[in-house]
Amino acid sequence: DQQVKQNSPSLSVQEGRISILNCDYTNSMFDYFLWYKKYPAEGPTFLISISSIKDKNEDGRFTVFLNKSAKHLSLHIVPSQPGDSAVYFCAASARSGGSNYKLTFGKGTLLTVNP
Amino acid sequence: GAGVSQSPSNKVTEKGKDVELRCDPISGHTALYWYRQSLGQGLEFLIYFQGNSAPDKSGLPSDRFSAERTGGSVSTLTIQRTQQEDSAVYLCASSNRISGNTIYFGEGSWLTVV
Repeated sequence: DQQVKQNSPSLSVQEGRISILNCDYTNSMFDYFLWYKKYPAEGPTFLISISSIKDKNEDGRFTVFLNKSAKHLSLHIVPSQPGDSAVYFCAASARSGGSNYKLTFGKGTLLTVNP
Repeated sequence: GAGVSQSPSNKVTEKGKDVELRCDPISGHTALYWYRQSLGQGLEFLIYFQGNSAPDKSGLPSDRFSAERTGGSVSTLTIQRTQQEDSAVYLCASSNRISGNTIYFGEGSWLTVV
């Protein structure tokens, strides 16, 4: 039973264009969401997060949008650069719950940005 | 150290042998996590340590898996009688109150059971 779903295993975009990575969740207790980026042979690195009290958080080229009613979030990268090519993981936690430390991850989306 | 440090970075072992994976968290981080990523899968929670509290072991897949954290710092994940399905990247992460739910990962220990 996957509580965090990334339905696109891969995405390919041209350099300079927008990359949109999507994530859906089923657990209504989730109230904090994060995106991690992972290069091959490296550990995941934190990218950006959003609390459920917001619907948008922006950091440079990266923006995360949260639609609570749809239980959907997305990561926008504008403009995309070849160095953004990596696997992107969506993660969620229920900070108000008993296991508020536990992050539940999706399976990841491989983003390839073509020069 | 500056980041989460894990060793070994790569380990190939024969089926049935025991392995130990080590994690040195970021200095000052009280929370330590073990996750694993099998081929084609997401990150799977294994175990969580927070200070002197009892660890959350709910993610350990079988009793062949155990972990300890000595002195509130370094942690060791032990897999006994390894099986081929144990082959995965084992990722350690740590966090503190300031980082909240943002956890910081090490580079992982790649385990291959042959």
